[in-house]
Amino acid sequence: DAEITQSPRHKITETGRQVTLACHQTWNHNNMFWYRQDLGHGLRLIHYSYGVQDTNKGEVSDGYSVSRSNTEDLPLTLESAASSQTSVYFCASSAETRGRYEQYFGPGTRLTVT
Amino acid sequence: KQEVTQIPAALSVPEGENLVLNCSFTDSAIYNLQWFRQDPGKGLTSLLLIQSSQREQTSGRLNASLDKSSGRSTLYIAASQPGDSATYLCAPENDYKLSFGAGTTVTVRA
Repeated sequence: DAEITQSPRHKITETGRQVTLACHQTWNHNNMFWYRQDLGHGLRLIHYSYGVQDTNKGEVSDGYSVSRSNTEDLPLTLESAASSQTSVYFCASSAETRGRYEQYFGPGTRLTVT
Repeated sequence: KQEVTQIPAALSVPEGENLVLNCSFTDSAIYNLQWFRQDPGKGLTSLLLIQSSQREQTSGRLNASLDKSSGRSTLYIAASQPGDSATYLCAPENDYKLSFGAGTTVTVRA
């Protein structure tokens, strides 16, 4: 079955380190998204991509970067991790099906920055 | 910027009652609206998607309505069960991007 996976599922890192979170989908969806979820803020969009070599900043992109070298993967990099980036990170993907763009979410990565 | 408000923030009902979850959004130029369910510590599961041209969508005990011009959507869950306990998130879509409300946390008491 097609799916969307994230790794690692849990990560503890130190302030200042570079961290990369992986997202892989097997639906061949053009659109991919990264969100963070924090208590009191709901889900907020970090970066998104509409296809290979396309990346765009979302609402809370400072301190994060993405690259899209193929359809299946959109890795999220924290250039220099900060305690404020402790959060749960969700990856999602979507594509048009009969005029609908339904987003499907991965299981999430819980990141703790100490 | 799309702002999404969900009311109430929390809801506790006895088993068997019908649930009504409200969502309002500020930018009515949406393409779709999705309702999600999230269990504690888990990811998001898509429940229903309503296209902007539709007024409602049904799946089993779930029914979602959409009034795009007034920026409102309502999720109805009939005959609630303890397994319906979760947080429900509303997410209107603009330019393929979703904006989320803070959610309504539902507890169904056996």
